[in-house]
Amino acid sequence: EVQVLESGGGLVQPGGSLRLSCAASGFTFRMYAMSWVRQAPGKGLEWVSGISGSGGTSNYADTVKGRFTISRDNSKNTLFLQMNSLRDEDTALYYCAKSENPYIGSNLRDWGQGTLVTVSS
Amino acid sequence: DIQMTQSPSSLFASVGDRVTITCRASQGINNYLAWYQQKPGKVPKLLIFAASTLQSGVPSRFSGSGSGTDFALTISSLQPEDVATYYCQKYNSAPLTFGGGTKVEIK
Repeated sequence: EVQVLESGGGLVQPGGSLRLSCAASGFTFRMYAMSWVRQAPGKGLEWVSGISGSGGTSNYADTVKGRFTISRDNSKNTLFLQMNSLRDEDTALYYCAKSENPYIGSNLRDWGQGTLVTVSS
Repeated sequence: DIQMTQSPSSLFASVGDRVTITCRASQGINNYLAWYQQKPGKVPKLLIFAASTLQSGVPSRFSGSGSGTDFALTISSLQPEDVATYYCQKYNSAPLTFGGGTKVEIK
């Protein structure tokens, strides 16, 4: 059974940093691209970033480009999102989601339960 | 970047009604379009991919259509358990943009 489990969320001040993790199991991790998707309270879904199965390609939404960095450790079946220079508008539930193939351009079949990031002074 | 526009943003319908949600891409995306269902307080669930392919386990009252720039999600006979917000997403290339969502409620 495919499982992805996010962790690392919490309360952080504006301008601060946070690192999210997503532990994956039940599938050959290196064979699938992964994405981070966020949802601000009461708002819709926003794709944040994606990384290819090999880790060689990554993409970002314009709203986080230059501040967030996605990475993965295929030896540990773990996805990361390093978030720097956090802003109030980054407050959201952050989901980790698995693609259908090694490429970022894919629908997202499997999702974690999310980890909450709150940016506030 | 390609923008995804859903309509309506919300709707009320009766049990048994046929419900159609539309999604328009600002540029052609072939059939690289997925639909997700998110029930209140729950994780998004993939319903349809490749514009019209039903994900395994999804009831057959759900269907998808379209190609290029115009797409639709249809619920042939609305059920109480279909109360949710529905999102389209394009995935031909990054960014994998979502539509703004359509909230479906029972009249």
